[in-house]
Amino acid sequence: SQQGEEDPQALSIQEGENATMNCSYKTSINNLQWYRQNSGRGLVHLILIRSNEREKHSGRLRVTLDTSKKSSSLMITASRAADTASYFCATEEGGKLIFGQGTELSVKP
Amino acid sequence: GAVVSQHPSWVICKSGTSVKIECRSLDFQATTMFWYRQFPKQSLMLMATSNEGSKATYEQGVEKDKFLINHASLTLSTLTVTSAHPEDSSFYICSALIGTGDQPQHFGDGTRLSIL
Repeated sequence: SQQGEEDPQALSIQEGENATMNCSYKTSINNLQWYRQNSGRGLVHLILIRSNEREKHSGRLRVTLDTSKKSSSLMITASRAADTASYFCATEEGGKLIFGQGTELSVKP
Repeated sequence: GAVVSQHPSWVICKSGTSVKIECRSLDFQATTMFWYRQFPKQSLMLMATSNEGSKATYEQGVEKDKFLINHASLTLSTLTVTSAHPEDSSFYICSALIGTGDQPQHFGDGTRLSIL
């Protein structure tokens, strides 16, 4: 079953703009993870945020977690054409990752 | 960083053929490996969880006799699609986990399987 629901499904922005993707989930979590997937490739781990954390940064990435609303957001600041990819949130359930539907981000130069 | 190698990256074969996909953790020992299937423009669906030396745990709806998983060592897991048919065509991705607790999974680059 799909735990995470993401929106938007697709996002198109200009280089230099910020991109924000949202993820909602249904059950209690230990952590929530964000991954990136370039077309036809495997997934690359971006950030893991634990249930007792509210915000986390990594370079141009900022992730927030609101456990009361069961939601998370991933923001990419000052986007680049190379950020074009699909982004997935995933929650851990019984040692397994349950992925959201993903957001397809297109950054135009 | 933790590198997972998946081979082959692309395979095209005739209906009825069995296809083996390998997933190796190159610079670490994986406590657990996972196999996913992904259709175009869709998310990853977990097929099975594999631990070294024990039988894989399959997700509901995944045929264990169709998708054979062998996890012979802490660095190698294989997925064999037996008697493949066109509906088995998909993108298969493996991942590996180091240790337990709050850890990310490390993914291979996937295998695109096309059955004619």
